[in-house]
Amino acid sequence: GAGVSQSPRYKVTKRGQDVTLRCDPISSHATLYWYQQALGQGPEFLTYFNYEAQPDKSGLPSDRFSAERPEGSISTLTIQRTEQRDSAMYRCASSFLIDSEQYFGPGTRLTVT
Amino acid sequence: AQSVTQLGSHVSVSEGALVLLRCNYSSSVPPYLFWYVQYPNQGLQLLLKYTTGATLVKGINGFEAEFKKSETSFHLTKPSAHMSDAAEYFCAVSVMGNQGGKLIFGQGTELSVKP
Repeated sequence: GAGVSQSPRYKVTKRGQDVTLRCDPISSHATLYWYQQALGQGPEFLTYFNYEAQPDKSGLPSDRFSAERPEGSISTLTIQRTEQRDSAMYRCASSFLIDSEQYFGPGTRLTVT
Repeated sequence: AQSVTQLGSHVSVSEGALVLLRCNYSSSVPPYLFWYVQYPNQGLQLLLKYTTGATLVKGINGFEAEFKKSETSFHLTKPSAHMSDAAEYFCAVSVMGNQGGKLIFGQGTELSVKP
């Protein structure tokens, strides 16, 4: 595609519900990153994929967070049993190779009530 | 471990004045350094980056930054601010190798431009 897209753009959910966020990277890009950005802060790394492999998930805050990229293209980030502290902007980025420029999507704003 | 500190969460300048956004980093290995800009309701856009070579890096929209190893700094400048420069700016550091290309960001600096 022309750029990185994310859906939904906004998500409001009740505490305890599960949510799944989607990232559609630029089609030729091998590497995909997920970041979490709290209000007033910079993005923080969650995890990344190189094709379908997930070499680093050290930034995932707890085992309630998981990510997949089964075919090396679209990725999903799932948060189980959401908590209010999960409220944030979730940003996806992709790059052609692992050390190439990262292109960011518009983000998904998650609000947990 | 790597870290980034941006001095000043808000900076206000007059149109036509010099823009200076400060960034200091910590890294135990030679860093890659980046400046990103975020406009409202848009994704982060790369302004410029330093990897190796020339320490003065020029980016888009007239911005530039200088890598100073002795000061562990990578400050962003623009000689003359435009109203369209109003946005949030993020400095970031990255280390290649087995850490992949993950970026470590500062907390951001919001730039306001007064007419």
